[in-house]
Amino acid sequence: NAGVMQNPRHLVRRRGQEARLRCSPMKGHSHVYWYRQLPEEGLKFMVYLQKENIIDESGMPKERFSAEFPKEGPSILRIQQVVRGDSAAYFCASSDVRDHTDTQYFGPGTRLTVL
Amino acid sequence: EDQVTQSPEALRLQEGESSSLNCSYTVSGLRGLFWYRQDPGKGPEFLFTLYSAGEEKEKERLKATLTKKESFLHITAPKPEDSATYLCAVQAQWGNQFYFGTGTSLTVIP
Repeated sequence: NAGVMQNPRHLVRRRGQEARLRCSPMKGHSHVYWYRQLPEEGLKFMVYLQKENIIDESGMPKERFSAEFPKEGPSILRIQQVVRGDSAAYFCASSDVRDHTDTQYFGPGTRLTVL
Repeated sequence: EDQVTQSPEALRLQEGESSSLNCSYTVSGLRGLFWYRQDPGKGPEFLFTLYSAGEEKEKERLKATLTKKESFLHITAPKPEDSATYLCAVQAQWGNQFYFGTGTSLTVIP
């Protein structure tokens, strides 16, 4: 059973460009979470999605950031007009609500560098 | 406000020297406390979930315990391959997100 997959693993963008980060959850998992990790800081929650639904986006910046989890295909975290402060590691996690443990399993992350 | 504090920030141990990592938390009703291991350049790897005070979980050289205010990750006779950053996270009773601490960076010297 493949784990959570994220791509690209590394992404370089210039200021003002758009960044698209993709996440495929573990097989059978219908819940996806996005976190951001800055150097020397802990993982910070951004958004929680189910298929075709945003459940909790309380951690998302109000501007330039959006997320979706379509019926078919991976979840996408989109950052428009990137700035240097967006440089970070972005992790996706997935969970299976059927097992009632709430355990989130993480992908390898996408490391975004904004030049 | 829900918060997680881990200590120490960094820990160096000789191979075979047992120790404990601490995770103190304040949360409005604990739904679960989670321990993860993170290697450089990788995503967090799930280790344990604890749900109620007094609960303990074990896996190889690791043992996690939980009280009403904190959790400990005990490492018995560590090996160099146990070197990693250990992360603690809590989930509140009525929330979905995890609140993470900043981690303890463990180095085990042969």
